[in-house]
Amino acid sequence: EAEVAQSPRYKITEKSQAVAFWCDPISGHATLYWYRQILGQGPELLVQFQDESVVDDSQLPKDRFSAERLKGVDSTLKIQPAELGDSAMYLCASSFLASGRAGHEQFFGPGTRLTVL
Amino acid sequence: GDSVTQMEGPVTLSEEAFLTINCTYTATGYPSLFWYVQYPGEGLQLLLKATKADDKGSNKGFEATYRKETTSFHLEKGSVQVSDSAVYFCALSASGGYNKLIFGAGTRLAVHP
Repeated sequence: EAEVAQSPRYKITEKSQAVAFWCDPISGHATLYWYRQILGQGPELLVQFQDESVVDDSQLPKDRFSAERLKGVDSTLKIQPAELGDSAMYLCASSFLASGRAGHEQFFGPGTRLTVL
Repeated sequence: GDSVTQMEGPVTLSEEAFLTINCTYTATGYPSLFWYVQYPGEGLQLLLKATKADDKGSNKGFEATYRKETTSFHLEKGSVQVSDSAVYFCALSASGGYNKLIFGAGTRLAVHP
């Protein structure tokens, strides 16, 4: 069964350091999402790609966060510099189609748990 | 803006008990509604969904009905098992948009033998 892959699964870093997370969506899925899940809360969308283009990054803290999906396949989310408040689970998801349509299932990866000391 | 409100947890039940987890939403238009489940140490899995009013989503004994008049999508199961212990998230995606999911805060369910 096809799955969304993420790495690393766990990351511990010190504040002011740079961190990067990688996601490989299910093959053929044009839409890729990065969510942040703070402990005890539901996931919140950070950025959404349709192929290689960003279609929603309204909640991405652009002074420190960046995301790319250069060839429209896998994606990297970067934080520089990391702050204590960035400690959370970072979830990647993909779906077959999204633009202009709702109700398409999003498939989630296992997540990367980030701890900033 | 659009939002989802879930009943607070944890919900603690004995095996074979009846489960209800309440979910209400605020949205313009006609959103699609979802229940996702997150088992310990894992990512989210889609449990069920409904894309229009009066639709009933069902899976693995769980059910939820899209009630537009009460803006609700309550999750129910007639007889829970220990293996159902997890965190359950209600979510919506707005119509006409890019399928962005807006989640509730989650409800932790603990089922004891």
